[in-house]
Amino acid sequence: KAGVTQTPRYLIKTRGQQVTLSCSPISGHRSVSWYQQTPGQGLQFLFEYFSETQRNKGNFPGRFSGRQFSNSRSEMNVSTLELGDSALYLCASSLYGGGRDEQYFGPGTRLTVT
Amino acid sequence: AQTVTQSQPEMSVQEAETVTLSCTYDTSENNYYLFWYKQPPSRQMILVIRQEAYKQQNATENRFSVNFQKAAKSFSLKISDSQLGDTAMYFCAFHLGTGANSKLTFGKGITLSVRP
Repeated sequence: KAGVTQTPRYLIKTRGQQVTLSCSPISGHRSVSWYQQTPGQGLQFLFEYFSETQRNKGNFPGRFSGRQFSNSRSEMNVSTLELGDSALYLCASSLYGGGRDEQYFGPGTRLTVT
Repeated sequence: AQTVTQSQPEMSVQEAETVTLSCTYDTSENNYYLFWYKQPPSRQMILVIRQEAYKQQNATENRFSVNFQKAAKSFSLKISDSQLGDTAMYFCAFHLGTGANSKLTFGKGITLSVRP
């Protein structure tokens, strides 16, 4: 079974631009969660999608948004990029979400904002 | 709100020896799960071990075991017979049991170095 894939793996953007990151979950998984990882703040939860609906959201500004498609693939978008958005963005998929299911992580997208 | 605390930023251990990584958490919930994740330098996060809060028996996975003290809200990871491949960042994480609040809350992580 193929693992979680994220594209692109690396991205360099300029302040003020917007960016879209993509995550393809493991086949059959319906829950996709996104996390931001930075050296200062560690791993922080962005949002979770289940069956195309945002089910849970972390404490991030509205510039961060996401969506999920009928095939469970998910995208996250960051508009009006700031230097502080430079981070490793991880997505994780699981069957139904919740602690009972193991979350499988992708390799991440490294975003650098200059 | 749930919090996870890993107070040790770095640890080092000799190959083949045993090391214990500490983690404490805070929650008012009863139904939850605790995890240890490993993130090697390649950055792929991997689940090491999982503990269900309602199970008193400590989870074990080969060389990895936990000491789960529910009353003390403590969840430490013991790595026996440390191997060079265990060198990584380790994160303790908390997850509520219900799907409606499906998120992992992570600690800051600890960098473990295994010396040859």
